Amino acid sequence: AQSVAQPEDQVNVAEGNPLTVKCTYSVSGNPYLFWYVQYPNRGLQFLLKYITGDNLVKGSYGFEAEFNKSQTSFHLKKPSALVSDSALYFCAVRDFDSGTYKYIFGTGTRLKVLA
Amino acid sequence: NAGVTQTPKFRVLKTGQSMTLLCAQDMNHEYMYWYRQDPGMGLRLIHYSVGEGTTAKGEVPDGYNVSRLKKQNFLLGLESAAPSQTSVYFCASSPRAYSNQPQHFGDGTRLSIL
Repeated sequence: AQSVAQPEDQVNVAEGNPLTVKCTYSVSGNPYLFWYVQYPNRGLQFLLKYITGDNLVKGSYGFEAEFNKSQTSFHLKKPSALVSDSALYFCAVRDFDSGTYKYIFGTGTRLKVLA
Repeated sequence: NAGVTQTPKFRVLKTGQSMTLLCAQDMNHEYMYWYRQDPGMGLRLIHYSVGEGTTAKGEVPDGYNVSRLKKQNFLLGLESAAPSQTSVYFCASSPRAYSNQPQHFGDGTRLSIL
């Protein structure tokens, strides 16, 4: 079965510093990977995805993610963190099971950017 | 451009009461999903639907029922609410034909069972 793991419950970073939120995956076949962000009292918002092609994927709000097949990782990154980036981040993998597309989510990582 | 709309946004129930959560999407998406979000557990799939008139069980279906009578609506029902069902419930939708497209989420329903 497909799965994703987010090893850090929380990441703290100073404003202006680079940030990394980690995600590792376990899939059979080619992975379809996603990052979402959740602000307080809101639903998840799509940030970026990896389907195929370049290992560095660029997304919304200046975020990017690096796909590493040998390390089975898909870490979210941003060169310079903003206080407004503070939120809950979810990694997800698409699963195709019994003819249906489903999405498996990690447990989430809370990012706190300190002014 | 509403996207995915969930009603109600908040609700408090007593144990044993029933209620229905409504999800509506205006993007003509085939797939719709209901998740619950609990601290430290991420999102867990309750039920999903691959099209009008069809539903299927997800990871944690016990205590819930769903219906998809119209393509744009997906209803989640609690027949006899239990405190363990206190959670934040999210509805999502996605296209079927374009399988690499992300899900679109509503803003959630915060449900407390006393």
